[in-house]
Amino acid sequence: TQLLEQSPQFLSIQEGENLTVYCNSSSVFSSLQWYRQEPGEGPVLLVTVVTGGEVKKLKRLTFQFGDARKDSSLHITAAQPGDTGLYLCAGGGSTSYGKLTFGQGTILTVHP
Amino acid sequence: DVKVTQSSRYLVKRTGEKVFLECVQDMDHENMFWYRQDPGLGLRLIYFSYDVKMKEKGDIPEGYSVSREKKERFSLILESASTNQTSMYLCASSERGVRQPQHFGDGTRLSIL
Repeated sequence: TQLLEQSPQFLSIQEGENLTVYCNSSSVFSSLQWYRQEPGEGPVLLVTVVTGGEVKKLKRLTFQFGDARKDSSLHITAAQPGDTGLYLCAGGGSTSYGKLTFGQGTILTVHP
Repeated sequence: DVKVTQSSRYLVKRTGEKVFLECVQDMDHENMFWYRQDPGLGLRLIYFSYDVKMKEKGDIPEGYSVSREKKERFSLILESASTNQTSMYLCASSERGVRQPQHFGDGTRLSIL
C-alpha cells in the first residue's frame, strides 16, 4: 500500500506570510496532484505535476515534484485570507483506473 | 461545466439500517470512486468502478458494497450501518487514463445513531 505523509496538519498564519506544505512518500508516483477543499464542498484540483523536478506556478502558489517523484511541496507566497482551506496532495499510480493515494491534508487558516 | 451530484448533503440513520448513498456524474467518465473523509485521515478509498458493473475494493471496503448499473450512477451501500461509519462521504469521477484529475461531489455527511 502506498502512503503519503503530508505536513504540517495545521497551519495558522497572518496575512502576508509565506508557507510551505510538504508531501512525502517512500513510493514513486506517476503524478502528484494538489487539491483544495473549502467547507461544505468537495476537493477541487489545483495542479498536476508529472515529471521529476517539475515546478508549476499558479499565481502565488508554487508546486514542485521531487526529482525521484516521491515527494512534493506547495509554497504560498504572501498568503491571503482567501487561501484558507484544506489542502490535499494525492499521488497517482500507473494504471488507467486513475486511483489516487491521498495525504492526510493540511488545514490552512490565514488571519487578516 | 463538469458536475458530480450526491443525492443528500446530510443524512441521519440508525444502527443496523441499510443505507444507500447515490452519486451521479454528467461527464461520461469511465471511473467513479467512493471515499470517506475523517479529520486527520485525509480521503480513504472505499470502492471504485472503472466501467459499468465493474468494481474493485479500495483500502477500506469492509461493511460497504457498491453498485454501478449505469455509467453515470455509482451507489454506495452500507449493508448494516454502524456508528463507526459516521463520516463524510465523497464521490468522484474521472476519465480513463493515468494522471487524470478527479472531480468531486460536495459530499454527504452521514450520522449513524
